[in-house]
Amino acid sequence: QKEVEQDPGPLSVPEGAIVSLNCTYSNSAFQYFMWYRQYSRKGPELLMYTYSSGNKEDGRFTAQVDKSSKYISLFIRDSQPSDSATYLCAMEKTSGSRLTFGEGTQLTVNP
Amino acid sequence: DADVTQTPRNRITKTGKRIMLECSQTKGHDRMYWYRQDPGLGLRLIYYSFDVKDINKGEISDGYSVSRQAQAKFSLSLESAIPNQTALYFCATSAPAGLGNEQFFGPGTRLTVL
Repeated sequence: QKEVEQDPGPLSVPEGAIVSLNCTYSNSAFQYFMWYRQYSRKGPELLMYTYSSGNKEDGRFTAQVDKSSKYISLFIRDSQPSDSATYLCAMEKTSGSRLTFGEGTQLTVNP
Repeated sequence: DADVTQTPRNRITKTGKRIMLECSQTKGHDRMYWYRQDPGLGLRLIYYSFDVKDINKGEISDGYSVSRQAQAKFSLSLESAIPNQTALYFCATSAPAGLGNEQFFGPGTRLTVL
């Protein structure tokens, strides 16, 4: 069983939709949570970083962590075609330790 | 110029050949990583290095070796390539441990082993 599970999609939504991306994890030792965005033919880049349970907002993006349920989410409001990419969740047990990635969810936002 | 560069960007080789993938960075980071990405499996860590004299195995190091030639350079070798090493390979760097551990990725090398 993988430590981090993520639905690979693909997910296709119309422009302006609210998108919800999710990951579950099995190891309660994970304490730090990240979302990376990967455009086609590019390397991943950090989008959001969270530590504590709760919500963190950055523009149209909200990262949510529920440690009791071992569940993290990324919400994208007013989605744009430029949001079309693969979104990977990542987590680590202590700051600066190795990252464990989900397999990524491929998102397409249609104009 | 890109902060993390990888060469080559694409490579096709045959089973049994020795292959070296190179990574250079201008971010001044001590930590460097090699990952492979496969459909359905995501990013998996092959090797990582926290400074020039430090080399550590990741979760899938069998069949691979690495060399940290300098702070800025980290190369990945496949001593005898096999078809199931066909994948997208990424190099990444990060600053020393602190809140966040943001990793900065190169553009990737697409390797095909026939």
